[in-house]
Amino acid sequence: QSVLTQPPSVSGTPGQRITISCSGSSSNLGRNPLNWYQHLPETAPKLLIYTNTQRPSGVPDRFSGSKSGTSASLAISGLQSEDEGDYFCSVWDDSLNGWVFGGGTKLTVL
Amino acid sequence: QLQLRESGPGLVKPSETLSLICSVSGGSIRSTGHYWGWIRRPPGKGLEWVGNIYYNGSPYYNPALKSRVSISVDTSKNQFSLRLNSVTAADTAVYYCARLMGVTEADYWGQGALVTVSS
Repeated sequence: QSVLTQPPSVSGTPGQRITISCSGSSSNLGRNPLNWYQHLPETAPKLLIYTNTQRPSGVPDRFSGSKSGTSASLAISGLQSEDEGDYFCSVWDDSLNGWVFGGGTKLTVL
Repeated sequence: QLQLRESGPGLVKPSETLSLICSVSGGSIRSTGHYWGWIRRPPGKGLEWVGNIYYNGSPYYNPALKSRVSISVDTSKNQFSLRLNSVTAADTAVYYCARLMGVTEADYWGQGALVTVSS
């Protein structure tokens, strides 16, 4: 049972915009910055969004992050087949004194 | 370009110790402001943090693994290592080493090393 809650799956068609939610608590999302990771099949995870809304160099602006209180979301616009994979939110949890990940959301591009 | 590579046995027997090394090239492990960490992904499950370390500081460990895990840095070899004691099948996973911009922002990753715990 993850301390960060994500939907297990989400799907969309090419070109569509989808969002993935991440819900936490006052000990994690409520006080610390959130990051999103993309984990595509047969590859290493990739930092997609850091500090709630920032994109590392090389990440397309189709990917965007937002956060409000103890909830956050990742939006992907102009969905592409190569976006298919798993997406994880993550944050430091002050109560657990550790880095925690959401359970992950499997994105399927139909 | 910074590169990280995991190395170590791919098969470990139950109750024994899992040992992995992460070799860093294209940059220094003494890089100011960067942590070095281990994250794993068991088959069919999500990502799980194992622990982080700063090159000259104390390590941080996942509380759920703290009694069994040890992470250390060898600056002379530009490497850091992971040891996980008393392993069980639940420790079977792909283990990734990573560089972190802060405590949770892993911007460079190794390709991953599958470690299977089985007799």
